[in-house]
Amino acid sequence: AQTVTQSQPEMSVQEAETVTLSCTYDTSENNYYLFWYKQPPSRQMILVIRQEAYKQQNATENRFSVNFQKAAKSFSLKISDSQLGDTAMYFCAFRGPRDMRFGAGTRLTVKP
Amino acid sequence: NAGVTQTPKFQVLKTGQSMTLQCAQDMNHEYMSWYRQDPGMGLRLIHYSVGAGITDQGEVPNGYNVSRSTTEDFPLRLLSAAPSQTSVYFCASSRTGRNTEAFFGQGTRLTVV
Repeated sequence: AQTVTQSQPEMSVQEAETVTLSCTYDTSENNYYLFWYKQPPSRQMILVIRQEAYKQQNATENRFSVNFQKAAKSFSLKISDSQLGDTAMYFCAFRGPRDMRFGAGTRLTVKP
Repeated sequence: NAGVTQTPKFQVLKTGQSMTLQCAQDMNHEYMSWYRQDPGMGLRLIHYSVGAGITDQGEVPNGYNVSRSTTEDFPLRLLSAAPSQTSVYFCASSRTGRNTEAFFGQGTRLTVV
C-alpha cells in the first residue's frame, strides 16, 4: 500500500517570504499522480497543484511550485510571496491505480 | 453548481446508535470515496467505489459500511457508533483516472458520546 509522509506538523512564514513544505511517499507503482491540497479554516478542500510522475518538469501554478524528485520519492511544495490567505492546512496526496492517499498535513501560518 | 453535497454537517450520537452519512454528487463522477480526518493523522480512506455496484475497503474500514446503488449517491453507514469514530468525515468524487482532481464535500463533524 502507498504511504505519504509529511514530517512538518506546523510551519510559519512571514508575509511576502517563501516557504517550502515537505512530502515523501512510498510506492512500487510507476504511473501515478501527486497532489497538494489546501484546507483553510472553512474546512473546504482546495486543489493547489498536481504533478504527473512521468513528467520531469516540475509543475507551477502562479506562486505555487513543486520540487518533484522521483528517485527520492519526494514532492515538496514551495509557496512564494506568501500571503495571509495562504494560512491553512496543506495535505500532500498520492493517487495510484486504485485510490488516493493523504499525508498527515502541515499547518502553515502566514504572519503579518 | 452543487458539486458534492454531504448531510448532515454536524451530528452527535450516543454510543451504540446507528446512522447514515449521506453523500451525493451531480458531476456524473464514477469514483467516490469516504475519508475521516483526525488531528495529526490527516485524511484516512475508509471506503471507495469505482462505479455503481462496486465498492472496496480503504485503510480504516472497520465499523463502517457502504453501498453504491446509483452513480450519484454513496452513503456511509455506522452500524454501532463508538467514541473512536468521533471525527470529521469527508466525501469526495472524481472521474476515473490518476490525473483527475478529487472534489470534496464540506464535511460532517460527528461526535460520539
